[in-house]
Amino acid sequence: GEQVEQLPSILRVQERSSASINCTYENSASNYFPWYKQEPGENPKLIIDIRSNMERKQIQGLIVLLDKKAKRFSLHITDTQPADSAMYFCAASRMGYKLTFGTGTSLLVDP
Amino acid sequence: DAGVTQTPRHEVAEKGQTIILKCEPVSGHNDLFWYRQTKIQGLELLSYFRSKSLMEDGGAFKDRFKAEMLNSSFSTLKIQPTEPKDSAVYLCASRSGTGEGQLYFGEGSKLTVL
Repeated sequence: GEQVEQLPSILRVQERSSASINCTYENSASNYFPWYKQEPGENPKLIIDIRSNMERKQIQGLIVLLDKKAKRFSLHITDTQPADSAMYFCAASRMGYKLTFGTGTSLLVDP
Repeated sequence: DAGVTQTPRHEVAEKGQTIILKCEPVSGHNDLFWYRQTKIQGLELLSYFRSKSLMEDGGAFKDRFKAEMLNSSFSTLKIQPTEPKDSAVYLCASRSGTGEGQLYFGEGSKLTVL
């Protein structure tokens, strides 16, 4: 199986600063690493993902880094806004298999 | 296109009752997942179906939790008998048949067991 650890569980930052969330996984066969954002009262939605053939991916203010050797991946949100306040979940899987999620990070961006 | 539909949105049960949660995946999706969401544990996998075949049921949940996929467009999750610790949000999600890409989640069924 797979186990995903996610830290921190709570993160509070000032508007326009950056926020970083870190995840580690156990199964070296995992090759797909998505990130989901869940706003209050909503269901989780995919915001960015990275496959194991990449080390870095950026979509606008979201950056994902993957270190396969260390079995670690991270999400960096640059220039945070209050609208970024939400729960964030990392996940890992082998392509085509079940997705194992981390326990989530509650991000609060203070205006 | 309709997204993932879950019913009921809220359910209150007495300890020991049987409850059934329902899910309709996105049309054409072959993968269906049931997750339980709590503040402490986050998203825990309960069951995973591919083309109606059960691929995985979360080991810790085998005892009182049973998910079925009666056809490609309908799945149920039965909890029998319910316990107060089962109080959580139950999320159903579906994914296209290629086995990769985005999971589309339903709005969830919030279960409270008294």
